[in-house]
Amino acid sequence: AQSVAQPEDQVNVAEGNPLTVKCTYSVSGNPYLFWYVQYPNRGLQFLLKYITGDNLVKGSYGFEAEFNKSQTSFHLKKPSALVSDSALYFCAVRDITGGSYIPTFGRGTSLIVHP
Amino acid sequence: DVKVTQSSRYLVKRTGEKVFLECVQDMDHENMFWYRQDPGLGLRLIYFSYDVKMKEKGDIPEGYSVSREKKERFSLILESASTNQTSMYLCASSLSSTSGELFFGEGSRLTVL
Repeated sequence: AQSVAQPEDQVNVAEGNPLTVKCTYSVSGNPYLFWYVQYPNRGLQFLLKYITGDNLVKGSYGFEAEFNKSQTSFHLKKPSALVSDSALYFCAVRDITGGSYIPTFGRGTSLIVHP
Repeated sequence: DVKVTQSSRYLVKRTGEKVFLECVQDMDHENMFWYRQDPGLGLRLIYFSYDVKMKEKGDIPEGYSVSREKKERFSLILESASTNQTSMYLCASSLSSTSGELFFGEGSRLTVL
């Protein structure tokens, strides 16, 4: 079984400050982990993924995420937030052990960046 | 770039009507998905297809059916629309590799009156 939790419904941050959006996961085997962003009335866009290798993954728009196996976490980070980063962010996990193509998504975290 | 196109961005239908939501992808992806998105519930998988004419039920298939006659096209069908099917519907596709990310369409916002 696979599951993912995004413990915060909303994250507020001031423009220019660092941001973190949290994600924890649960899988039976090894995970593939993904972050997506959704702007209002749009579909989801892929930001980055962890498959294997370096625990720090860099993605689009200056975002990065750190895979922490011991804490089963994959938090999304950005050193300096922009107002345009305000959006809904989804974490997703896929357990590679079973070979499933189907990811499980978190419920999403609304990021609000204040000017 | 991969393009996933959902034919209708906004639809308004009446209870009991049959509704077709069409999705086309242009990157020869094997896998296609239909999700519905509701506030506070995130994305819930309705149906999944890993090949032409192949389909698997997701978490909430009741009241829905799907059709995949061609590799690039995956249709979601509401046989008799009900008000509780008012939602945002998202189509996605991916390569067969399990490491592949999903590519989403822009969404179809359906309102059933």
